Amino acid sequence: AQKITQTQPGMFVQEKEAVTLDCTYDTSDPSYGLFWYKQPSSGEMIFLIYQGSYDQQNATEGRYSLNFQKARKSANLVISASQLGDSAMYFCAMRRPSGGYNKLIFGAGTRLAVHP
Amino acid sequence: DTGVSQDPRHKITKRGQNVTFRCDPISEHNRLYWYRQTLGQGPEFLTYFQNEAQLEKSRLLSDRFSAERPKGSFSTLEIQRTEQGDSAMYLCASSPGTGSSGNTIYFGEGSWLTVV
Repeated sequence: AQKITQTQPGMFVQEKEAVTLDCTYDTSDPSYGLFWYKQPSSGEMIFLIYQGSYDQQNATEGRYSLNFQKARKSANLVISASQLGDSAMYFCAMRRPSGGYNKLIFGAGTRLAVHP
Repeated sequence: DTGVSQDPRHKITKRGQNVTFRCDPISEHNRLYWYRQTLGQGPEFLTYFQNEAQLEKSRLLSDRFSAERPKGSFSTLEIQRTEQGDSAMYLCASSPGTGSSGNTIYFGEGSWLTVV
């Protein structure tokens, strides 16, 4: 069965510091995709970054980077230079290959608090 | 704003009443998804449409739930005879069918349902 595990219920970081949010996944499919979303208190799920299982390079999007370690089945999100506005819930998700569409399986999330 | 929009954002209803949520996806996105999110959990997949065809329904979608996408544009999610366990946020998402951006799913802000 496919599963996403986020072992950190909550994380604290000082403003301007970097923080790593952990994500491990379990799948037997050779082709899959991994996503990170940010969910502020308003509820909207904001797409941050995507990594395909065959991508050779780790994905980066501005201050976000994904530390993809395929053999360890981990896809940790690194946020550099944290800002107060980064305080939110963060969800790791895996795309289940099924006819090519994006059915996502989510982890339980990590709540990040950025302190001034 | 050309993002995914959902209406209403908040709904309080008495147990046993019917409720309907509407989702307008990003223009020209032919894929549309509904997810449900309860407090402290990540979103869970409910159903998927490609254009007007409903191609997959989760076992979470009991007989009291029905989703439609009549013309392949907006979608509705109806819950009949609501129960307190239906209290959750219902998230709609859309994605393009092809191209590199087809990997990205864009979510709306969600519709919060409280059944009293």
